[in-house]
Amino acid sequence: QVQLVESGGNLVKPGGSLRLSCAASGFTFSDYYMSWIRQAPGKGLEWLSYISPSSRYTNYADSVKGRFTISRDNAKNTLYLQMNSLRAEDTAVYFCARSPAYSYGDHWGQGTLVTVSS
Amino acid sequence: EIVLTQSPGTLSLSPGERATLSCRASQSVSNNYLAWYQQKPGQAPRLLIYDASSRATGIPDRFSGSGSGTDFTLTINRLEPEDFAVYFCQQYGSSPRTFGQGTKVEIK
Repeated sequence: QVQLVESGGNLVKPGGSLRLSCAASGFTFSDYYMSWIRQAPGKGLEWLSYISPSSRYTNYADSVKGRFTISRDNAKNTLYLQMNSLRAEDTAVYFCARSPAYSYGDHWGQGTLVTVSS
Repeated sequence: EIVLTQSPGTLSLSPGERATLSCRASQSVSNNYLAWYQQKPGQAPRLLIYDASSRATGIPDRFSGSGSGTDFTLTINRLEPEDFAVYFCQQYGSSPRTFGQGTKVEIK
């Protein structure tokens, strides 16, 4: 079955960097768009970024554009999110999701918590 | 950016009752590309409905979606104990993809 497992969340100081990973299994990873979505504590969901199967196309929310970079390694079945210049407002649970044709998330990981605090 | 407004914020119902959740868009959602998710505490969202009215794999038929343009509805017939959760709508007709703020369905 489809499985997505995020890792890399941690406590980091403002201005710091972090790289999240999402290990995929149970489907042909290289056939699918993939996305990162986050949820601040007690808040709603925010779509951050997506990447096309071949990495040719990416897109970012304005809130993270220029600071976050999405990438993937199809040989390793892994999705990444490089997060730089982190701010307190980036504190959230970060989810990866499989996104057929960059649409909705039909399968989600369990999430990884990023806390930005001094 | 399309803003999605969900109502009500909280719905208090008893098991066996019907829940009707609304999602209104600030502008027309292209091709009715709207999805609904269920989220329980500490869990990831679970896709229920896509393309406004198509049930995702494994979703019970007591969940149904309807609507078009700017007004969409999620209906849950005969609430089961496991249906008490938060529900989000999301549009994917235009970028950026956006979510509603959620409706909590709680036990009355």
